[in-house]
Amino acid sequence: ETGVTQSPTHLIKTRGQQVTLRCSSQSGHNTVSWYQQALGQGPQFIFQYYREEENGRGNFPPRFSGLQFPNYSSELNVNALELDDSALYLCASSLRSNEQFFGPGTRLTVL
Amino acid sequence: SQQGEEDPQALSIQEGENATMNCSYKTSINNLQWYRQNSGRGLVHLILIRSNEREKHSGRLRVTLDTSKKSSSLLITASRAADTASYFCATLSGGFKTIFGAGTRLFVKA
Repeated sequence: ETGVTQSPTHLIKTRGQQVTLRCSSQSGHNTVSWYQQALGQGPQFIFQYYREEENGRGNFPPRFSGLQFPNYSSELNVNALELDDSALYLCASSLRSNEQFFGPGTRLTVL
Repeated sequence: SQQGEEDPQALSIQEGENATMNCSYKTSINNLQWYRQNSGRGLVHLILIRSNEREKHSGRLRVTLDTSKKSSSLLITASRAADTASYFCATLSGGFKTIFGAGTRLFVKA
């Protein structure tokens, strides 16, 4: 059984740029959730996708967008990067609202 | 705003001692979960306790839930240096949104 993987591991961008983060779900999982975790804080829910449709969203602006593909892999896109977007981005896959399995995260630094 | 709030924010103990972390939440829940995170990496699910359960055990972990006080505790018995990590409680809101607290940072000294 393959676990949740994320790429890249680390990323450095400058303010105003755009970034795409990728997540490969655990085999058999149809739901993926994305979280932003600032240093010293708990993860904050960005949004969730279920069978390629957005299933719910947290308090993040529209410049945070996502996609889920037929193989249930997923992307998180962030446009017009701001300094405060610097964080660890985590994805988690699950079967609907059951136990979530987290990937190792992508650490984004915005300069 | 965070649903769960952990207490204490940080905890330092000696190997072999017990560690207790507390979590409070604001709204009604179906279940509450505890996660561990090592050094800024992905979260690992530890245990889930349902709203109709008062206590649950898993190995050296003991979780209690008091829905009348909207609080939960996580006890790690006979701690080891490898238990050094951040611990988060989390609740499910609206059927899809997992809300995490700010976490307790546990440091176990060998």
